[in-house]
Amino acid sequence: EVQLVESGGGLVQPGGSLRLSCAASGFTVSSNYMSWVRQAPGKGLDWVSVIYSDGSTYYADSVKGRFTISRDNSKNTLFLQMNSLRAEDTAVYYCARVGNSYGYGYWGQGTLVTVSS
Amino acid sequence: DIQMTQSPSSLSASVGDRVTITCRASQSISSFLNWYQQKPGKAPKLLIYAASSLQSGVPSRFRGGGSGTDFTLTISSLQPEDFATYYCQQTYSTPPWTFGQGTKVEIK
Repeated sequence: EVQLVESGGGLVQPGGSLRLSCAASGFTVSSNYMSWVRQAPGKGLDWVSVIYSDGSTYYADSVKGRFTISRDNSKNTLFLQMNSLRAEDTAVYYCARVGNSYGYGYWGQGTLVTVSS
Repeated sequence: DIQMTQSPSSLSASVGDRVTITCRASQSISSFLNWYQQKPGKAPKLLIYAASSLQSGVPSRFRGGGSGTDFTLTISSLQPEDFATYYCQQTYSTPPWTFGQGTKVEIK
């Protein structure tokens, strides 16, 4: 059974850093495209980043240069390193597995990041 | 970046109604269009991928259509469990892969 479990969210001050983790089971992270999507309170879905199986990475303009997506193949885990955090980064962050036809078929439960002083 | 515009932003409908949501891309995205359903406090759920392919386990009352820039999600007979927010997403070519702003389907 495919399962994604995010962790690492919490309260952080503006300008601070946080690293989110997404532990996967039931499939191999490195063989799939994996992505992060966020949702600010009461708002819509906001695409953040994707890492391809070949290691290529892409980011939304709003996080480029501040966020880094990566994976640890030995731990079968996806990460999102978030630096220089801003109030507008406050959101629930979801990790998701991208299917063969580019649909996001599996999602984690989400982890809340709050950026506030 | 490709912009996705959904309409309407919200709608009220009754159980049994036929409901259609529209999604328009700012440029052609072929059939690289997905539809998701999200209920409060839950992760999104994939309904339709590649514009018209039904995700496994999704009821057949959900139908996706369109190609190029204009797409639709139709629910043929609205059920109580279908009241939720629906999002389209384009996954065409090089990311970013953007979402529409969402359509909230409420009970009339």
